[in-house]
Amino acid sequence: NAGVTQTPKFQVLKTGQSMTLQCAQDMDHEYMSWYRQDPGMGLRLIHYSVGAGITDQGEVPNGYNVSRSTTEDFPLRLLSAAPSQTSVYFCASSYSKGKRWGEQFFGPGTRLTVL
Amino acid sequence: QQQVKQSPQSLIVQKGGISIINCAYENTAFDYFPWYQQFPGKGPALLIAIRPDVSEKKEGRFTISFNKSAKQFSLHIMDSQPGDSATYFCAARVADAGGTSYGKLTFGQGTILTVHP
Repeated sequence: NAGVTQTPKFQVLKTGQSMTLQCAQDMDHEYMSWYRQDPGMGLRLIHYSVGAGITDQGEVPNGYNVSRSTTEDFPLRLLSAAPSQTSVYFCASSYSKGKRWGEQFFGPGTRLTVL
Repeated sequence: QQQVKQSPQSLIVQKGGISIINCAYENTAFDYFPWYQQFPGKGPALLIAIRPDVSEKKEGRFTISFNKSAKQFSLHIMDSQPGDSATYFCAARVADAGGTSYGKLTFGQGTILTVHP
């Protein structure tokens, strides 16, 4: 299994541009989420999904959009990039049942810089 | 609003020493307390986790101590090694009746651990 994959690894945007961060998992996890990591702030939840067609907002959803059309994919869209969105973005997925219920598996991250 | 407060921000320990990282929380609805380990350039990975019905959980050199009345929990790394140098995050999850919170974690600010050889 590849686990959780994210593309791209690095991205530089100009203010106002839009882009989509890709996330895919091959573990048949129902739950997927997006976090951003900033120095001294830990990881903050942006959006999450408990299954295909179901998404909800996390702690810091403004400026981001998500959709979940398949179990495997959970893309994150930046609608109009701002310098405040410069961060490292992590996608994660979780088992919803069984011994490893609740354990989150993280992707390698996307480092985004907005100029 | 930071619901999980982690300290210290950074920690330097000599090889063989004990590393201790502390977390405090406010929300009594939290029902699951994991610790994640993150190496530079990588995503976090689950290290160890505890539920509030036990006061301690040990896995190898890593131990979580949990104090429900004080709303605090801590990670102890015994015989710390240079390979343990990483950023450590505590986290907590709220239980809900609908059972959809199983991935919705609130993280602490992180602790950068450096173990000198």
